[in-house]
Amino acid sequence: DQQVKQNSPSLSVQEGRISILNCDYTNSMFDYFLWYKKYPAEGPTFLISISSIKDKNEDGRFTVFLNKSAKHLSLHIVPSQPGDSAVYFCAATYSGTYKYIFGTGTRLKVLA
Amino acid sequence: DVKVTQSSRYLVKRTGEKVFLECVQDMDHENMFWYRQDPGLGLRLIYFSYDVKMKEKGDIPEGYSVSREKKERFSLILESASTNQTSMYLCASSRGDQETQYFGPGTRLLVL
Repeated sequence: DQQVKQNSPSLSVQEGRISILNCDYTNSMFDYFLWYKKYPAEGPTFLISISSIKDKNEDGRFTVFLNKSAKHLSLHIVPSQPGDSAVYFCAATYSGTYKYIFGTGTRLKVLA
Repeated sequence: DVKVTQSSRYLVKRTGEKVFLECVQDMDHENMFWYRQDPGLGLRLIYFSYDVKMKEKGDIPEGYSVSREKKERFSLILESASTNQTSMYLCASSRGDQETQYFGPGTRLLVL
C-alpha cells in the first residue's frame, strides 16, 4: 500500500516558468512533510518542509503548499532554472515515529 | 554541515557473497537509516536504528541485517547476496523524531 504517491513520474518545464510537483498521501496521521531533491549518483538533499499546522511554507524560489482536507501537497519552483533538473521526492512522517515514507519521485527537467 | 559518508560508491559482487555496506555520520545523530532506491519504487526503508545496538525492521528487511556498535557507524549486511538485491543503497541520519534526514551519496551495488 503506497501511502505517499507522486503520480507524475516526469515533468518538463521551460526555464523561467513555474514548476509544480504534486504529492498525495492516504494516512491522515501524517503531520510533517518534506521535499528532497536528488541528482544522479548523489544522495537526496533536503529542500523544504511543512508541518500540518501550516498550509504554506516558503524558502526563496521554493514554496510548499499543504491541503490537509485533500491530503495533497505541492512544491512550486518559481522561476525554474536548469540546475533544478533532478528527481524530487516527497516524504511524510508523524509524531512518535522515526520512519519517513517516501513517494516514488518525479523527474523534473528544466529546459533552457 | 552534516556529513554522511558511505564506504563505497560502486560495488560488484557475486551471488552468494556476504556484502558489507558501511555508513558513518559525523553529527552525533541518534537515528540512522538504510534505504534502497529502485526505479519506480522510490526509497524503501530496510532498517533503522535509534540508538547504539538498537535496531528496527523497516518495510523490506528480508535478506538484510544491520549492526550499530558505535553511534556514528551503521552497517548494512547482505548475508548472501542475490541478483534482486542489485540496487542503489542510501544511508541517512537524523537528530531525532521528525528531524530532517541527511543522506550519504549512495552505494550502487551490482550482484552478478
